[in-house]
Amino acid sequence: GAVVSQHPSWVICKSGTSVKIECRSLDFQATTMFWYRQFPKQSLMLMATSNEGSKATYEQGVEKDKFLINHASLTLSTLTVTSAHPEDSSFYICSASHLNYGYTFGSGTRLTVV
Amino acid sequence: EDQVTQSPEALRLQEGESSSLNCSYTVSGLRGLFWYRQDPGKGPEFLFTLYSAGEEKEKERLKATLTKKESFLHITAPKPEDSATYLCAAIYNQGGKLIFGQGTELSVKP
Repeated sequence: GAVVSQHPSWVICKSGTSVKIECRSLDFQATTMFWYRQFPKQSLMLMATSNEGSKATYEQGVEKDKFLINHASLTLSTLTVTSAHPEDSSFYICSASHLNYGYTFGSGTRLTVV
Repeated sequence: EDQVTQSPEALRLQEGESSSLNCSYTVSGLRGLFWYRQDPGKGPEFLFTLYSAGEEKEKERLKATLTKKESFLHITAPKPEDSATYLCAAIYNQGGKLIFGQGTELSVKP
């Protein structure tokens, strides 16, 4: 149990456009989801904590207007990278917390901005 | 500030050569210690959760232990398919955010 599906697995977009990444908990309800960013050879860096029905809590240094997070239902959270630039290219990973299974991670999204 | 530190950053082993990975954490207020495996281009895959000093958990060639100030991931007779980055993470508030270490990149050569 406790499967998290993340989509797309990779995306290439043009500089200045926006990209949406979806994170779904398939077999459980996730009141809290987390969004991470990971650069090559580095660990996961938490960007924000997303709670269903309320505004996301962003970590220090993360631009709220740049990385829009929506958690409209107990099974879906989305991260939208707005006006993407090459420096936003990275590996983005979501995670959902479950009472019995702890923290389950999605498979990640490789974003390349050209 | 709560911190998690992993060592070594990278570890190269020959197949069958057992070893251990270390994870040190801020002691005060720890609610749980997690180990994950991450393959290149993939999300972390859950391995173990440890909650109290003295606790041990095993899965195939892996065994995780927890003391009052650090955790170890012991790898017995590793195989090339065990090559991956192993991440340690701690949680200090129930349902709160995980704090990750930098990871240990393990390479097992045949």
